[in-house]
Amino acid sequence: EVQLVESGGGLVKPGGSLRLSCAASGFIFSNAWMSWVRQAPGKGLEWVGHIRSSTDGGTTDYAAPVKGRFTISRDDSKNTLYLQMNSLKTEDTAVYYCSTVLWFGRIDAFDIWGQGTMVTVSS
Amino acid sequence: DIQMTQSPASLSASVGDRVTITCRASQSISTYLNWYQQKPGKAPKLLINAASNLQSGVPSRFSGSGSGTDFTLTISSLQPEDFATYHCQQSYSTPRTFGQGTKLEIK
Repeated sequence: EVQLVESGGGLVKPGGSLRLSCAASGFIFSNAWMSWVRQAPGKGLEWVGHIRSSTDGGTTDYAAPVKGRFTISRDDSKNTLYLQMNSLKTEDTAVYYCSTVLWFGRIDAFDIWGQGTMVTVSS
Repeated sequence: DIQMTQSPASLSASVGDRVTITCRASQSISTYLNWYQQKPGKAPKLLINAASNLQSGVPSRFSGSGSGTDFTLTISSLQPEDFATYHCQQSYSTPRTFGQGTKLEIK
């Protein structure tokens, strides 16, 4: 069974840091592009960023609001995706989801999602 | 960035109704458009990819259409389990962007 399990969320003060993890199972993780998507309370979905598979270079792209503060990385030996969040702001408060990126020809979509982990940034 | 606008923001309907949700992109995105269903407290679920391709296991009462800037998600006969929030998302360019969501409620 394909599964993603996030962990690492919690309460952090503005300016603080947090690292989220996403443990993957049931598929060949090293071949997969992976994404982080967040959802602020009562709001819509917001793409945070993605990391390409190692075979595709393992490079990353980020949304403007998090660029320079957040870093996505992966450890293919542990089948785990990470989101390092620094200089956190109150507006980063959200449920954070990891997702596989599935390709349908040239079109990609967020296929399998984790259950989400809540990050609250508050003093 | 490509802006995605959904309408309506919310919709009340009854079991058995046919409903249509619209998604408009701020520029042409060909068919680089996906639809997701999200129930309260749960992660989104991919319903349709590339504007009109139904994901495996998704009931055939769901359908998607459109290309360019205008897209629709149609549910032909609402079932109780379809009451949820629906999100469109473009994968034409980075950053990937979502519509604000359409909440489908029971009338």
